[in-house]
Amino acid sequence: GNSVTQMEGPVTLSEEAFLTINCTYTATGYPSLFWYVQYPGEGLQLLLKATKADDKGSNKGFEATYRKETTSFHLEKGSVQVSDSAVYFCALLSTNTGNQFYFGTGTSLTVIP
Amino acid sequence: GAVVSQHPSRVICKSGTSVKIECRSLDFQATTMFWYRQFPKQSLMLMATSNEGSKATYEQGVEKDKFLINHASLTLSTLTVTSAHPEDSSFYICSARKASGGAYNEQFFGPGTRLTVL
Repeated sequence: GNSVTQMEGPVTLSEEAFLTINCTYTATGYPSLFWYVQYPGEGLQLLLKATKADDKGSNKGFEATYRKETTSFHLEKGSVQVSDSAVYFCALLSTNTGNQFYFGTGTSLTVIP
Repeated sequence: GAVVSQHPSRVICKSGTSVKIECRSLDFQATTMFWYRQFPKQSLMLMATSNEGSKATYEQGVEKDKFLINHASLTLSTLTVTSAHPEDSSFYICSARKASGGAYNEQFFGPGTRLTVL
């Protein structure tokens, strides 16, 4: 079946620290992988995506590489800012199951000045 | 563009009453809308998929008579929790997929509705 396992939080970092949020997946077929971000009081927003193995998604200084060999899609950012404080969700989209999304549990990030 | 709204953002009701949650795509047409439920510190779980003008498709284990979904137009889907009980208390999130679709069928999410049943 399809599932996403995401690093549990909460994560608290100082400003300018390096961020890694781990995400691994199991899937049938060839899924697309996503990171969504949810700021307080707002909906989920697409942060970045990768549609095939070895693709690297990037946006706003965040990066994640689709690693088929390790079934991973870890989120990284070299220097976090206070404004990055949010909940981050890893997700996969499986075309084998009618374009259904499977989400991780979400990781809460708090960046302190 | 691609904004999805939900109303209400928060609702408290008594056990046994029904609650309607609206999901609207504000600046695009959505042939397909999805309803998710999120328990504290857990994943978003897909409840049902609704297509404009047709009956919703419910995921296994979701009671269709309890969670009534109507997708009457290309910009509006509603979820009605009938005869709500405390165990229905949760965070309900909708998403909408553009009618024009896309290479990866991106979904746009609403801000969620916090339902508390007393």
